[in-house]
Amino acid sequence: NAGVMQNPRHLVRRRGQEARLRCSPMKGHSHVYWYRQLPEEGLKFMVYLQKENIIDESGMPKERFSAEFPKEGPSILRIQQVVRGDSAAYFCASSLTSGSHEQYFGPGTRLTVT
Amino acid sequence: AQKITQTQPGMFVQEKEAVTLDCTYDTSDPSYGLFWYKQPSSGEMIFLIYQGSYDQQNATEGRYSLNFQKARKSANLVISASQLGDSAMYFCAIGARSARQLTFGSGTQLTVLP
Repeated sequence: NAGVMQNPRHLVRRRGQEARLRCSPMKGHSHVYWYRQLPEEGLKFMVYLQKENIIDESGMPKERFSAEFPKEGPSILRIQQVVRGDSAAYFCASSLTSGSHEQYFGPGTRLTVT
Repeated sequence: AQKITQTQPGMFVQEKEAVTLDCTYDTSDPSYGLFWYKQPSSGEMIFLIYQGSYDQQNATEGRYSLNFQKARKSANLVISASQLGDSAMYFCAIGARSARQLTFGSGTQLTVLP
């Protein structure tokens, strides 16, 4: 049973470009969480989605960031007009139910903005 | 809201000895879970151990055990018989029933000395 998959594993973008990060949850999981880890810090919650719905986006920056989890295909975290401060590791986790006790993490995408 | 405090930015331990990593938490939710994750230099998040707030016994997983003291709101991780491969960043996290996401501490960098 494949785990949570994220791609790309490493992404380099110039300031002003767009970054698209993909997350394929574990098979059968319909709940997805995105977290961001800035250098030298712990993970910070960004957004929680179920299929086709954003449930909780309280951790998302108000501008430039958006997330979706369509009926078919992976969840996408989109960052428009990236800035240097967006450089971080972005982790996706998935769960079978909405409880937080069973989240499985992907390997992360390391975004570098030059 | 939930909060995790890890007061040890860095710890050193001699190979084959035991080490305790501190974690204190704060939550108003009576039902919650406490997690420990290991993040090696390669960057992935590796789940180590989980303790539920209503669990009567301290959780153990191989060389990992969780010293759960509910009245003191602490959930320290004990690693016995340290190995060189244990050198990594360790994060404590809390997930409450009222909030789907996990809240992480700032981490402890453990270095195992030969």
